[in-house]
Amino acid sequence: TQLLEQSPQFLSIQEGENLTVYCNSSSVFSSLQWYRQEPGEGPVLLVTVVTGGEVKKLKRLTFQFGDARKDSSLHITAAQPGDTGLYLCAGGQGTYKYIFGTGTRLKVLA
Amino acid sequence: GAVVSQHPSRVICKSGTSVKIECRSLDFQATTMFWYRQFPKQSLMLMATSNEGSKATYEQGVEKDKFLINHASLTLSTLTVTSAHPEDSSFYICSARDLWLAGATDTQYFGPGTRLTVL
Repeated sequence: TQLLEQSPQFLSIQEGENLTVYCNSSSVFSSLQWYRQEPGEGPVLLVTVVTGGEVKKLKRLTFQFGDARKDSSLHITAAQPGDTGLYLCAGGQGTYKYIFGTGTRLKVLA
Repeated sequence: GAVVSQHPSRVICKSGTSVKIECRSLDFQATTMFWYRQFPKQSLMLMATSNEGSKATYEQGVEKDKFLINHASLTLSTLTVTSAHPEDSSFYICSARDLWLAGATDTQYFGPGTRLTVL
């Protein structure tokens, strides 16, 4: 069974701080997605990365796909309270099925 | 952007009854829809993959007779929780894959979820 481990599991930081969330697996994925989920809602797609070593930036968020396509990271610069939420990575293996990571719950304090 | 809706958003039912949850892609066609289950403060667990016009593929450990899935059209998939029990209480989320955007990105769009409470 494929497993996507995210770390840290929980993170509470002050507004303005930087943070990095990691998503690691022993499996290779054809693509990897990052989502943010608010309580009581479905996940919202932030980014999809498909090429090993790929780096994508979305305003203050920087996403990187590992060279071997087994891991990924999400870096947030100058975190804001609006960044609070559950961050999920999800790996695709070409069967159009996604395996979700264990999740990182972020809380940004004003 | 692509929109996926779910109905109902919340449902409370008595133990032993069946509950049907609908997942619709509103502005695109989806040959494949996915059903997930999420427990409080946990990640999403894939239950099954629903393909239009064929039987759903269930993940290991998911009872197909308990969670009936029907994908009768390119815009609608339904999940029926049969003979529901309190342990079936959870947040059920569907997602749909856009037929015409198929490719390397395999983009899927998520519904807002359905909170099921079984008394």
